[in-house]
Amino acid sequence: DTGVSQDPRHKITKRGQNVTFRCDPISEHNRLYWYRQTLGQGPEFLTYFQNEAQLEKSRLLSDRFSAERPKGSFSTLEIQRTEQGDSAMYLCASSLAAGEAFFGQGTRLTVV
Amino acid sequence: AQKVTQAQTEISVVEKEDVTLDCVYETRDTTYYLFWYKQPPSGELVFLIRRNSFDEQNEISGRYSWNFQKSTSSFNFTITASQVVDSAVYFCALSFTGGFKTIFGAGTRLFVKA
Repeated sequence: DTGVSQDPRHKITKRGQNVTFRCDPISEHNRLYWYRQTLGQGPEFLTYFQNEAQLEKSRLLSDRFSAERPKGSFSTLEIQRTEQGDSAMYLCASSLAAGEAFFGQGTRLTVV
Repeated sequence: AQKVTQAQTEISVVEKEDVTLDCVYETRDTTYYLFWYKQPPSGELVFLIRRNSFDEQNEISGRYSWNFQKSTSSFNFTITASQVVDSAVYFCALSFTGGFKTIFGAGTRLFVKA
């Protein structure tokens, strides 16, 4: 296992389309996080899973956003009816416990 | 309020210079964790250090050193003898016991010129 893997690395979509991103955490990590990073800013927390349970969602996560982690392994983040303001880097991270999180390389979304 | 402030947006130095990146945090919690991450152009966040609120000892790792001062709510990061490969965006971050949400500063972009 070489770390947290995210797919795709880049996604360009037209406004109004749905997109789905995948995150494969480090295999033994039970915690998984999604963050969003816009240009010139630090990552902002979106949501958190402990195993398959989604325990916290940020107010940033509008109704158009949904995340799942079936079976407590990989996770998906779906954005419905994308808007230009959704353009950002979406980062996934995983950890064993509170403390050091390992981040993936992110998925850069561009909504045109 | 829980907040991390990195007042320096960009810093430019010449190779071999020392450089200090500032980080000031706000929290009312007595137990918390502070982090520094490096984000190279490839995009992933690379963990550099984690420090808990009860450990104010300064730490040195090779050319990197960290100065944690609770009295001023600061957790500054110094790179000694900077190298071109140190060019990246550096983020300071704050987390809490049992916490799952890490609060990041806006980052400091470091340019190291040869």
